[in-house]
Amino acid sequence: SQKIEQNSEALNIQEGKTATLTCNYTNYSPAYLQWYRQDPGRGPVFLLLIRENEKEKRKERLKVTFDTTLKQSLFHITASQPADSATYLCALVWNAGNMLTFGGGTRLMVKP
Amino acid sequence: NAGVTQTPKFRILKIGQSMTLQCTQDMNHNYMYWYRQDPGMGLKLIYYSVGAGITDKGEVPNGYNVSRSTTEDFPLRLELAAPSQTSVYFCASSPSGDHEQYFGPGTRLTVT
Repeated sequence: SQKIEQNSEALNIQEGKTATLTCNYTNYSPAYLQWYRQDPGRGPVFLLLIRENEKEKRKERLKVTFDTTLKQSLFHITASQPADSATYLCALVWNAGNMLTFGGGTRLMVKP
Repeated sequence: NAGVTQTPKFRILKIGQSMTLQCTQDMNHNYMYWYRQDPGMGLKLIYYSVGAGITDKGEVPNGYNVSRSTTEDFPLRLELAAPSQTSVYFCASSPSGDHEQYFGPGTRLTVT
């Protein structure tokens, strides 16, 4: 069965640095991949979507890469701020028409 | 637009009781979803709907039922509540299957 792996340990970085979060998956590549942000006690909020035939997507300080050879997506936040502290979830759809499958999320802590 | 709204925010049930979690969206989205999220874990899909009158099982449907009589509403029914159903429940909607999902604020349910 398909599996998604995100680092369950919190990532602690200093304000102003670039945060890099990893999402690994098994077996064949998904049709597309999404990243969400979740704050404590709230529902996830969509950030970025990247498709199988795309290598990179950017939105303001956010960048997502998709490497089908490594079976991995990287999520970068440049010039990180304490307000970026949250849990970040990756979610995959393996076949068009199928539903999203979420990873367990990685908690990011940005210290001032 | 209110987006996706869920009621109640919190609920405590005794084992064997039943309840309905309400979900309403005002974005005219065809797709709606119910997820559960256990502490420190990602979201698991319970049921989803691709339009009024159409529902289908997700990854963890046992112990739950849904209906979709209108585009706006997608209630989740718990029959004979069990401690294993203690979780945070999120409702979400999207315009189609390959778009981002919009989440509600969640319902925190405890079964004792």
